[in-house]
Amino acid sequence: EPEVTQTPSHQVTQMGQEVILRCVPISNHLYFYWYRQILGQKVEFLVSFYNNEISEKSEIFDDQFSVERPDGSNFTLKIRSTKLEDSAMYFCASSRDTDEKLFFGSGTQLSVL
Amino acid sequence: GESVGLHLPTLSVQEGDNSIINCAYSNSASDYFIWYKQESGKGPQFIIDIRSNMDKRQGQRVTVLLNKTVKHLSLQIAATQPGDSAVYFCAEGRLQGGKLIFGQGTELSVKP
Repeated sequence: EPEVTQTPSHQVTQMGQEVILRCVPISNHLYFYWYRQILGQKVEFLVSFYNNEISEKSEIFDDQFSVERPDGSNFTLKIRSTKLEDSAMYFCASSRDTDEKLFFGSGTQLSVL
Repeated sequence: GESVGLHLPTLSVQEGDNSIINCAYSNSASDYFIWYKQESGKGPQFIIDIRSNMDKRQGQRVTVLLNKTVKHLSLQIAATQPGDSAVYFCAEGRLQGGKLIFGQGTELSVKP
């Protein structure tokens, strides 16, 4: 079965540093998402992306965050200047259409020290 | 003081029993609902979905029930197995919206 792949699986960074989390969505999917999950809490929506632009974003997705589809296969989340509270598991997801189920990757565990 | 994290509701069942996990959703405008299973260190894995024009949908060993009157969703797992042990999340959304809002999750523990 096709799957969403994310790299790296773990990322440790110093506060104030930039990080880029990478995702390869399922190849025939057109809608891409980033979610995050702080340890022990529920999964939270960050941003949705379609046709090379952001469709919707949450309050969490402030100016420190950006997304990009640099080529035909990758989808990235950049955090410009990480804060301690950005420590979380970040999940990428994709779907063929808005009325179809989201497939999630295994996540990148981001630890900000 | 500030809580570090949520204390997940837990459900402990005996192997072979049926499990029922409940969820209350918040937005009466939501018309699409999904159950995801999350094992430790992994991403949410799709189990079953239902649209608001239905009140019941069955899959393999799983059934989802939707009660729009009281904004309640449930997941029934038949003949629960140790491999079903995980955290189960309900999620709500709009069919034309894509974005999902997740509930807090229920931890299912299956005793052999």
